[in-house]
Order: sequence, then structure tokens, then C-alpha cells
Amino acid sequence: GEDVEQSLFLSVREGDSSVINCTYTDSSSTYLYWYKQEPGAGLQLLTYIFSNMDMKQDQRLTVLLNKKDKHLSLRIADTQTGDSAIYFCAESTTGANNLFFGTGTRLTVIP
Amino acid sequence: DVKVTQSSRYLVKRTGEKVFLECVQDMDHENMFWYRQDPGLGLRLIYFSYDVKMKEKGDIPEGYSVSREKKERFSLILESASTNQTSMYLCASTGQGETQYFGPGTRLLVL
Repeated sequence: GEDVEQSLFLSVREGDSSVINCTYTDSSSTYLYWYKQEPGAGLQLLTYIFSNMDMKQDQRLTVLLNKKDKHLSLRIADTQTGDSAIYFCAESTTGANNLFFGTGTRLTVIP
Repeated sequence: DVKVTQSSRYLVKRTGEKVFLECVQDMDHENMFWYRQDPGLGLRLIYFSYDVKMKEKGDIPEGYSVSREKKERFSLILESASTNQTSMYLCASTGQGETQYFGPGTRLLVL
């Protein structure tokens, strides 16, 4: 099946920017998602990008897509302690009914 | 707001017991999913259902079965629980062309 890879851990200081990276193998991926999982909770959609876009910005979040390298990143500006969570990258060729998730990156924000 | 609820947040069962995990969504979604989440492995799809009484195997269906008698309810069944089924179980649902909405998860410990 499709392979979606992420680093397992990332630590940043409060106020710095965080960059969470994701690589995927399916060149026909059409939809790419970022989900956030807070401790003890389910996954919550943060943002998504279509494969015909290079960038999407939403307040403190910036998603960058390099389709040639099959690389997706999520940048969180001015990272806060409330951003501490696990962040999952997911990709799909057909939409929300067929998602492939990465391993998740645990972001720890140090006060 | 879409709401996906799971019957238990925490469960402790003994090896060999039959275990039922219930999931209910209130948005009349056609599609429902069961995942398990394990550290370093991300989310893996166990089963999904795209309509009442319909079910499809995901990536890791062995040791599990499901039931969808009503549109809003999707049950995951462990016929004879084993210790390697200790995990976090996440239910999700989606309508047409939307993201998946997740429940809060059930953390199952099999002793």
C-alpha cells in the first residue's frame, strides 16, 4: 500500500516556529491532510491541500507541498504550549473515504 | 457540529473475552471507519462500512469483526480478545467528499 512517513518526535521552544515534515510515495495523491491529536482525544482536521496547490496559509499554519519530491510540511508560527500534540499527515487519491495516515509526529513545546 | 461518540474511553478485558466497541455519529454519514492507533505505527484501518449492513476489510481485519445494523452506529467486535489487541481504537465517519470526523477513542487493555 501507500507509504506515508513522518519523524516521530519534534521539540521546540515556545514562540519559535515548528516545521513538521511528511513524505509520501503515491504520485497520484490528490488530497493531503494534516490532523492534530491532543492528549486523550481523537483526531481533528487542521487543514488540507489539493495536489494542484503549492501552499496554503491559515492564520498561524502554513502548508507547503512539493509534489515533485512528494514532500509535505506543516509550519506552525509562534508555537504555543497548546500546540503540543501529535500531528498526522494523511494522503488520499480519492478523497476522505480512503485515507492513508503517517505515523504521527509528537510535538512538544517547551515553555 | 459533527459528533462522533464512542461508548467507552477506557476498557480493561481479559484474554479470551468477547469485546464490543460501539461508535455512534449524529450527522447521517454514510461511511464509518474503525482504526487502531499504536505508537510508531500511526493509524491502521481495521474495517469500514459505506452503508447499513455493508462492510469492507481494511488493512488489518484479522481478529476483528464489525456490525452496522443502523446508519448511525458501527460496532467493532473482538471475538476473543488477545494481548496484542491492546491499543487505542478510533472510530471515524464521513459524508460525501468531506474529511473524516473522529471520535475520542477507546483505550483497550487486554490482560
